[in-house]
Amino acid sequence: EVQLVESGGGLVQPGGSLRLSCSASGFTFSSYAMHWVRQAPGKGLEYVSAISSNGGSTYYADSVKGRFTISRDNSKNTLYLQMSSLRAEDTAVYYCVKGAVAAIVGGHFDYWGQGTLVTVSS
Amino acid sequence: SSELTQDPAVSVALGQTVRITCQGDSLRSYYASWYQQKPGQAPVLVIYGKNNRPSGIPDRFSGSSSGNTASLTITGAQAEDEADYYCNSRDSSGNHLGVFGGGTKLTVL
Repeated sequence: EVQLVESGGGLVQPGGSLRLSCSASGFTFSSYAMHWVRQAPGKGLEYVSAISSNGGSTYYADSVKGRFTISRDNSKNTLYLQMSSLRAEDTAVYYCVKGAVAAIVGGHFDYWGQGTLVTVSS
Repeated sequence: SSELTQDPAVSVALGQTVRITCQGDSLRSYYASWYQQKPGQAPVLVIYGKNNRPSGIPDRFSGSSSGNTASLTITGAQAEDEADYYCNSRDSSGNHLGVFGGGTKLTVL
């Protein structure tokens, strides 16, 4: 059974930093791209970032480029999202999402974690 | 603004058929995938590719595409199908999967 468990969310002040983690199990983690998708309270889904199966390719939405860094440790089956210079508009539930293929483009999102809430507020 | 456009809300009578649409230029070249999200829950994949259902998704869900429009059809809608539905596809350049529609709230009457 595929499981994606996010952690690291919480309350942070504007301008602060936070690192999200996603522990994966039930599939060969190193064979698939992984993605982060967020959802602000009461809003729709927003694509945040992606990383290819071997970590060689990454993508960032314009809204987070230069502030967020995606990475993965295939030896630990873990995905990360380092977030810095956080803003109020980054407040959202952040979902860890498994891609259906190794590349960051193509395919679809076949499994989603339950999400972790990040609140940016003073 | 989203490059994929969905109607904000759609309603259907119990047991009837409903179609949820998603429009965007990228859909002329790439398939959409569809995700169902119930309140307080994570999204779930319901349709991908030309018209493929993951294991466990009822066969009343189907997908189709024509021109710049992708459609999710629920044939014989059930009360448990009431949810938000999101489409996703590549951006117009085809370089990433970073485009979601704004979502459609389906109400089953």
